[in-house]
Amino acid sequence: AQSVSQHNHHVILSEAASLELGCNYSYGGTVNLFWYVQYPGQHLQLLLKYFSGDPLVKGIKGFEAEFIKSKFSFNLRKPSVQWSDTAEYFCAVSFSYNFNKFYFGSGTKLNVKP
Amino acid sequence: EAGVTQFPSHSVIEKGQTVTLRCDPISGHDNLYWYRRVMGKEIKFLLHFVKESKQDESGMPNNRFLAERTGGTYSTLKVQPAELEDSGVYFCASSQDRLAVVTGELFFGEGSRLTVL
Repeated sequence: AQSVSQHNHHVILSEAASLELGCNYSYGGTVNLFWYVQYPGQHLQLLLKYFSGDPLVKGIKGFEAEFIKSKFSFNLRKPSVQWSDTAEYFCAVSFSYNFNKFYFGSGTKLNVKP
Repeated sequence: EAGVTQFPSHSVIEKGQTVTLRCDPISGHDNLYWYRRVMGKEIKFLLHFVKESKQDESGMPNNRFLAERTGGTYSTLKVQPAELEDSGVYFCASSQDRLAVVTGELFFGEGSRLTVL
């Protein structure tokens, strides 16, 4: 069965540190890739997405992600985190055989210390 | 514009009781989805409505779960009888486009937390 893995469950960083959150999926076909973020007390919202083309995609709030097809990965990065980035981050994938649903990872809680 | 709203935000019930969760999608959104996150694990798909019809209910865990969307507006998810393993956060999402999981134009509610004791 297809799956999405997020390796870091809880990350603690100081402000200005760089961030990289890992996401891997298991499927050899066409995928669409997303990162969602849930700030405390808020709803899930889209951070960035990849369909095709340039494998390096830029999203809101200075986030970017790189699709590496050979590694089945879509890691999220930010060069310098801020306290306001404290949130839970979810990688999500939709697969070409079923565009009715997302498959989510288990989420990564990011705590940024001021 | 109002977003996706879910009610209640938190429900605490005892095993064997019934709970009904409600989701009001964004006005005009024909597509409505339910997802669930259990015990800090991954968010899992439950089902997808297009208007009042169930497009895909492959994620519904068992027949204790009943989802409805009468009239194609709001949706309810009933759990009867609730078991301990049903505890988690139930997310609702809506979209105008059926291919929202391709475009990412999927709007989530804040979730309904269910605790079964």
